[in-house]
Amino acid sequence: QVQLQESGPGLVKPSETLSLTCSVSGSSVSVSQYYWSWLRQSPGKRLEWIGYVYYNGDTSYNPSLKSRITLSVDTSKNQFSLKVRSVTEADTAVYYCARAIVGAKRLDFWGHGTRVAVSS
Amino acid sequence: DIRMTQSPSSLSASVGDRVTITCRASQDIDNSLAWYQQKPGKGPRLLLFGASRLQSGVPSRFSGTGSGTDYTLTISNLQPEDFATYFCHQYYSAPQTFGQGSNVEIK
Repeated sequence: QVQLQESGPGLVKPSETLSLTCSVSGSSVSVSQYYWSWLRQSPGKRLEWIGYVYYNGDTSYNPSLKSRITLSVDTSKNQFSLKVRSVTEADTAVYYCARAIVGAKRLDFWGHGTRVAVSS
Repeated sequence: DIRMTQSPSSLSASVGDRVTITCRASQDIDNSLAWYQQKPGKGPRLLLFGASRLQSGVPSRFSGTGSGTDYTLTISNLQPEDFATYFCHQYYSAPQTFGQGSNVEIK
């Protein structure tokens, strides 16, 4: 069974960097069939796609966030990560990691989500 | 960005009812549409993709139709475990975008 689990601090101060990791079990981040994705949902808003990272490190980012985010993959740990720089309160959200199918990009497995608050 | 407009935002239904949720895209998305179910405290679950293709393990009471800009999720014979939030997702073009969600509540 494929499982994804987000981890990281639940509270980040404004202007700092938010760092999250997604640990994957039951699937390998090293194979070419999947994109490894991050999404978020801010209070009262719809889901927002952040971007994805491929097994070889290639990335695709949402243009609205591109200047502040970095996605990376660690094949040795079967994990992938998200960094968001210069956070503001608008980055307060539940962050999800998910697996997407290459070609179709549907998101077939998701983590449970981790709540991150940006506050001083 | 492609705007996804989902309706209704919430509805009340009874066990055994037939429920329909619609999603309209701001441009043709060529059936590149998925539907998800989400329950509180859990990650979303993929129900359908390609507008009408059932994900493995999903009960056949879930079905999807549509083309172009207009898509529909139908839940036939609503079961107690189906009370949840449902949302659509277009993956036709980047950035991928989502509907605002439809909360199916017990009447």
